[in-house]
Amino acid sequence: GAVVSQHPSWVICKSGTSVKIECRSLDFQATTMFWYRQFPKQSLMLMATSNEGSKATYEQGVEKDKFLINHASLTLSTLTVTSAHPEDSSFYICSARGGSANTEAFFGQGTRLTVV
Amino acid sequence: GENVEQHPSTLSVQEGDSAVIKCTYSDSASNYFPWYKQELGKRPQLIIDIRSNVGEKKDQRIAVTLNKTAKHFSLHITETQPEDSAVYFCAASRGTGGGNKLTFGTGTQLKVEL
Repeated sequence: GAVVSQHPSWVICKSGTSVKIECRSLDFQATTMFWYRQFPKQSLMLMATSNEGSKATYEQGVEKDKFLINHASLTLSTLTVTSAHPEDSSFYICSARGGSANTEAFFGQGTRLTVV
Repeated sequence: GENVEQHPSTLSVQEGDSAVIKCTYSDSASNYFPWYKQELGKRPQLIIDIRSNVGEKKDQRIAVTLNKTAKHFSLHITETQPEDSAVYFCAASRGTGGGNKLTFGTGTQLKVEL
């Protein structure tokens, strides 16, 4: 099946710094990618929809100035957590659906962010 | 927007028994319903999915049923094995194209005991 690669798989950063997470579709073009956040023992909550060549669409309650999304090509989307705080510590995971005819959503490996 | 509810939140079964997880959705326009299995610290993996034009789909020990009228769908795992232990998520989507987002249920922690 299609492959979505995300990195880093884990990162520890100091409070107030920024962290960039990359999500790549390795063998298909993804016009749209999705960014989720998952707290321990909770579900995947959609943060934003990343659209190639245009602005991301953020879910209600998600600060677009804090979670910067860039989708500069059909195979790469990045999420930057700016001025990170301990409450931003979470598991961030991206997803892409393989084109118009392929319904399955493929997930990246996820990034465990710990802000200290 | 879509709201997906999932029950139970935890489920313990004996090895060899069946497990059933149920989900309801709110958006009548949703037409694609996948189920994911997630092991601790890992990415969700698709285990089975169903589209709204069918009522049931089976793949070996796993089956999914869909009742569009009642807006609910269920996952059935038969002959459970210890390696089935994981968190299972249902999801719903309005479309099957690349731009259609998935809304996830709250998850079910399945534990298969020896």
